[in-house]
Amino acid sequence: DTGVSQDPRHKITKRGQNVTFRCDPISEHNRLYWYRQTLGQGPEFLTYFQNEAQLEKSRLLSDRFSAERPKGSFSTLEIQRTEQGDSAMYLCASSSGGASGTDPYEQYFGPGTRLTVT
Amino acid sequence: AQSVTQLGSHVSVSEGALVLLRCNYSSSVPPYLFWYVQYPNQGLQLLLKYTSAATLVKGINGFEAEFKKSETSFHLTKPSAHMSDAAEYFCAVSLSGNTPLVFGKGTRLSVIA
Repeated sequence: DTGVSQDPRHKITKRGQNVTFRCDPISEHNRLYWYRQTLGQGPEFLTYFQNEAQLEKSRLLSDRFSAERPKGSFSTLEIQRTEQGDSAMYLCASSSGGASGTDPYEQYFGPGTRLTVT
Repeated sequence: AQSVTQLGSHVSVSEGALVLLRCNYSSSVPPYLFWYVQYPNQGLQLLLKYTSAATLVKGINGFEAEFKKSETSFHLTKPSAHMSDAAEYFCAVSLSGNTPLVFGKGTRLSVIA
């Protein structure tokens, strides 16, 4: 078990460009969450999946944001036409849902992808 | 809707002193409550959680928290601060542990030698 991984760790892009982030959850975790954290604030929920199904999207997730989780494994978060206000740390987390006798209540977080839009 | 309020964006204590980080929650249903710690440039690590069992919850690194329904509080304590405790601490609430978390704004803990 290598934990939740995210790629890239840092991304600098110019306003108007598209960016895509990847999250690899802990294997066999069926739930995957995306959060956004701006400086001095707590993480804010964006969206989450159970297997490949997207269960909920926050109203924070504008039309420029899209997330998917093909085959219920890794997930990608894409931001189109980036704006300076998109600059933040994007965190991914996964949980087991109680599968395999594991703790259903703990969300395991990755190290995050820090996005800077210039 | 659920929400969390963390009182004090920055708390400073001396090494060896009591640590007390405050968290009050609002929830229309019995909540699941969590404390996470975040070190610089790292993700969040779970310290402890309340899931409707014992109201006094013990976590990692000597931290504990007590769920008080009458006060809608879930304050985090540690009897003796260590330099390595310096970090950002987040309180969070959810409908269950398996649903999205709602976080407070965080409290930065500084430990003075």
